[in-house]
Amino acid sequence: EAQVTQNPRYLITVTGKKLTVTCSQNMNHEYMSWYRQDPGLGLRQIYYSMNVEVTDKGDVPEGYKVSRKEKRNFPLILESPSPNQTSLYFCASSSLDRDYEQYFGPGTRLTVT
Amino acid sequence: AQSVTQLDSQVPVFEEAPVELRCNYSSSVSVYLFWYVQYPNQGLQLLLKYLSGSTLVKGINGFEAEFNKSQTSFHLRKPSVHISDTAEYFCAVRKASGTYKYIFGTGTRLKVLA
Repeated sequence: EAQVTQNPRYLITVTGKKLTVTCSQNMNHEYMSWYRQDPGLGLRQIYYSMNVEVTDKGDVPEGYKVSRKEKRNFPLILESPSPNQTSLYFCASSSLDRDYEQYFGPGTRLTVT
Repeated sequence: AQSVTQLDSQVPVFEEAPVELRCNYSSSVSVYLFWYVQYPNQGLQLLLKYLSGSTLVKGINGFEAEFNKSQTSFHLRKPSVHISDTAEYFCAVRKASGTYKYIFGTGTRLKVLA
């Protein structure tokens, strides 16, 4: 089954403790992206990648890092999480020839205390 | 830069009634426009998209949207809603070329009442 998977689905952590949220897709997609969803703010793009080793900032990149070493994986790294990064995070991917059709993962709910 | 405004945060409507969810955008360049739906506790699913050509776009689940360049709008419509359409709907915009940067609206919560 074609899908985007995220792990973990739920995470509660403390301020300053480094964490990684993984994202993997099995559709051989070139494009991948990370979003955060907050009530009243909709979705905001954090980072995106147009291919292996090619990443760029979205609207809200501060406090986040990404890497794209393999085509299928696009992990989101929070080096020193803070409470304002408490949010629902989504990963998405799309193919080169249909880059306008994003497939979203199920989401990761992160709480930073 | 692009921006998106969804004018209604919540829209209640009775079952089998028509509905329109409003979306306005701003951009100085050609854009792609999208509507996504998010059912409770799920990820987002693409409802429909406008890339170019015909301004009336049909999507899944009986939804359609009309691109109006002069009014910079991309309103979503359905002639008769069902209880199962209860969800949050997001409008989004992206430059037509050269980038994968998306701007989403703040969302409209559609509540279909029996």
